[in-house]
Amino acid sequence: ETGVTQTPRHLVMGMTNKKSLKCEQHLGHNAMYWYKQSAKKPLELMFVYSLEERVENNSVPSRFSPECPNSSHLFLHLHTLQPEDSALYLCASSSDHSGANVLTFGAGSRLTVL
Amino acid sequence: SQQGEEDPQALSIQEGENATMNCSYKTSINNLQWYRQNSGRGLVHLILIRSNEREKHSGRLRVTLDTSKKSSSLLITASRAADTASYFCATRAYSGAGSYQLTFGKGTKLSVIP
Repeated sequence: ETGVTQTPRHLVMGMTNKKSLKCEQHLGHNAMYWYKQSAKKPLELMFVYSLEERVENNSVPSRFSPECPNSSHLFLHLHTLQPEDSALYLCASSSDHSGANVLTFGAGSRLTVL
Repeated sequence: SQQGEEDPQALSIQEGENATMNCSYKTSINNLQWYRQNSGRGLVHLILIRSNEREKHSGRLRVTLDTSKKSSSLLITASRAADTASYFCATRAYSGAGSYQLTFGKGTKLSVIP
């Protein structure tokens, strides 16, 4: 257990479904991240939040909608996804969003879109 | 692109041997971080080395940084089967407008054969 908890660990959804991924950190960190990891591709940064404010959005399709209600919780709302969105979605946190400090990752949510 | 590129993409060694992985990058960095990922899990931070440092150790791990060659290496000595994982480098660099970004490479997949 790293201090960053992701649920669910596995999710299978159809293209018309709406689902959410949840991330919770117990480390007192101020920044939280969503990354997408697909086979044979570098880790892709999707969103960064610092103290509940979004500070980065890397041209992610609108079918992915993040929410950060407080500095300990981060959600990724999913709707009308495509099969190519199937991937491992990783949440991470750090003491600040500048990259000066290390990231602590959760175990990931494996998403399969049928 | 600023991303680090790990080399080799895959490495297979016998238990007890040393494993060396390399990371090259293109522009000036502020720090470079190495992470390990066991299959289907989140990334775990190993070592952070700053641009003014040349070498860091942590247990059986040794990281070097050569900013003149824009490269870093991760050495795992006396490898164990439990070291089997993917290893990623991440570079922190200035991305403009007062911001820094941490960018990951595609990783090196290490297999340690008992």
